[in-house]
Amino acid sequence: DSGVTQTPKHLITATGQRVTLRCSPRSGDLSVYWYQQSLDQGLQFLIQYYNGEERAKGNILERFSAQQFPDLHSELNLSSLELGDSALYFCASSEMGTGELFFGEGSRLTVL
Amino acid sequence: AQRVTQPEKLLSVFKGAPVELKCNYSYSGSPELFWYVQYSRQRLQLLLRHISRESIKGFTADLNKGETSFHLKKPFAQEEDSAMYYCALGWANNLFFGTGTRLTVIP
Repeated sequence: DSGVTQTPKHLITATGQRVTLRCSPRSGDLSVYWYQQSLDQGLQFLIQYYNGEERAKGNILERFSAQQFPDLHSELNLSSLELGDSALYFCASSEMGTGELFFGEGSRLTVL
Repeated sequence: AQRVTQPEKLLSVFKGAPVELKCNYSYSGSPELFWYVQYSRQRLQLLLRHISRESIKGFTADLNKGETSFHLKKPFAQEEDSAMYYCALGWANNLFFGTGTRLTVIP
């Protein structure tokens, strides 16, 4: 499957812990986006990378960070986790300028 | 600031009835608007974009700059249209999504 892949699919952890979510973009896509989907909040844009560089930041907490590696995969690091961080985290990739994003299946994070 | 509003969280219609999912946007420039759809157990995917002016799966959406709206319409709803629909505004190579509307088509 050459689409966007995200790991892990599900993750359960405790408050105060740190987790890393991983995303591999579609073959050829240089741009990676991270979104958070909480109950009743829709899709909240977190951050975008293009070819390894941060391109735009949305509503990303200081406890969260991300990076895009030379092979174009990206990681979203969530630290000092709180109950409210429980959500579905989506990664998407695109060719620049097309406006069409291709989404992964998401990583469901549960913080207990 | 750019913003997308979808006033209806839930919308139910009977099969064969017309359906309209509302989307209003706030943006000072020339907007790029999209509708994305997420069917059960599938990934979020692009349904249509305003610049293409095409009909996808019987759905159309017209950009109304005067009303700052981009409502999604279909004259005859089908059961397979049941899904989560998101309106999105393209800006600075990003997409800003509304909160989504869950459409249920009742057989």
